[in-house]
Amino acid sequence: DQQVKQNSPSLSVQEGRISILNCDYTNSMFDYFLWYKKYPAEGPTFLISISSIKDKNEDGRFTVFLNKSAKHLSLHIVPSQPGDSAVYFCAASYSGTYKYIFGTGTRLKVLA
Amino acid sequence: DVKVTQSSRYLVKRTGEKVFLECVQDMDHENMFWYRQDPGLGLRLIYFSYDVKMKEKGDIPEGYSVSREKKERFSLILESASTNQTSMYLCASSREQGPSEEKLFFGSGTQLSVL
Repeated sequence: DQQVKQNSPSLSVQEGRISILNCDYTNSMFDYFLWYKKYPAEGPTFLISISSIKDKNEDGRFTVFLNKSAKHLSLHIVPSQPGDSAVYFCAASYSGTYKYIFGTGTRLKVLA
Repeated sequence: DVKVTQSSRYLVKRTGEKVFLECVQDMDHENMFWYRQDPGLGLRLIYFSYDVKMKEKGDIPEGYSVSREKKERFSLILESASTNQTSMYLCASSREQGPSEEKLFFGSGTQLSVL
């Protein structure tokens, strides 16, 4: 049972345009969501997070949107840069648990 | 900055060998985790530990065990390695989860090949 889903395995975007990565979840208890970026042969690095009490969080070129009614979050990267090419994982957690549930990842390729 | 160090970047082992993957964190974090990453399957939790000598099974614990004798060190043990355990293994740590949100800090990963 995949509680966190990233339905697009890959995405290609031109440099300078917007990249939109999507994530859906099924467990309504999730109240904290994170995005990680992973380069080949490296560990994931934290990118941005959002609490369920918010619907938007912004950090520089990265913005995460949360739609609780649709159980959907998205990561917007604008403008996209070639260095953003990586695999992006969304993850979810809820209060009182130690566990983080990860999606299957989306490979983003930003074309120069 | 938090540093999570995994002892090996690459390992090649034979089927049936006992394999130890070591992980050390330097930020006094209570929680430590072992994940494996496989193409198309994302990151799956093997085991986690919320305190010294405390451990809980994750989603895919079969064929693995763990040890946490000291707060900073969390070891993953493959009792008898099999080819289906060929994977990227990722260690992570986090502070104790309370009312505030916490994030995971990952090591660089160990790519294990079992032949």
